[in-house]
Amino acid sequence: SQQGEEDPQALSIQEGENATMNCSYKTSINNLQWYRQNSGRGLVHLILIRSNEREKHSGRLRVTLDTSKKSSSLLITASRAADTASYFCATDAKDSNYQLIWGAGTKLIIKP
Amino acid sequence: EPEVTQTPSHQVTQMGQEVILRCVPISNHLYFYWYRQILGQKVEFLVSFYNNEISEKSEIFDDQFSVERPDGSNFTLKIRSTKLEDSAMYFCASSLDGYNEQFFGPGTRLTVL
Repeated sequence: SQQGEEDPQALSIQEGENATMNCSYKTSINNLQWYRQNSGRGLVHLILIRSNEREKHSGRLRVTLDTSKKSSSLLITASRAADTASYFCATDAKDSNYQLIWGAGTKLIIKP
Repeated sequence: EPEVTQTPSHQVTQMGQEVILRCVPISNHLYFYWYRQILGQKVEFLVSFYNNEISEKSEIFDDQFSVERPDGSNFTLKIRSTKLEDSAMYFCASSLDGYNEQFFGPGTRLTVL
């Protein structure tokens, strides 16, 4: 079964608007991490939220976690063209040995 | 800022050949990982490594794969006899401990012909 699933699969917005991406998962987790990947490039860590946390901020990023619904959201405020990338959630399941299980990602396009 | 490095950035090999992908994790990190991403697909976990032994491995990590930490800085992934379907981007990651962020290298693109 799929552990992390993001939606939408693709999102296109105007520069300056806010972008919200969602992630759902199936099993109990230790933490959930969000990553960004520019086309064909490496995975850049954005933020980690632990299972006992509900919200976390980092600059223009805001992440929420609802363990009862097994879901998380990533909000990017005041988007910029440089935010264009794919965004992935990855979960560290409680019954795993620190392996991260990944979603398929949301492809975000910021139009100038 | 410390970062994970990987070499080579691109490796082209013939089917059946052995390849070794190299990684230098962040120096004070204790946990090391390999993941792969086939073009257009999800990132997939291959193996985690701690205290000089494999902690966990996925179904993908069969007998053709092995990992090694030959010295205090390098962490390698060996594929003994490559197949066409091994073509992918291979990412190395490290973390301070098992409960914190995993930091990824830029990846090695492996092309098997």
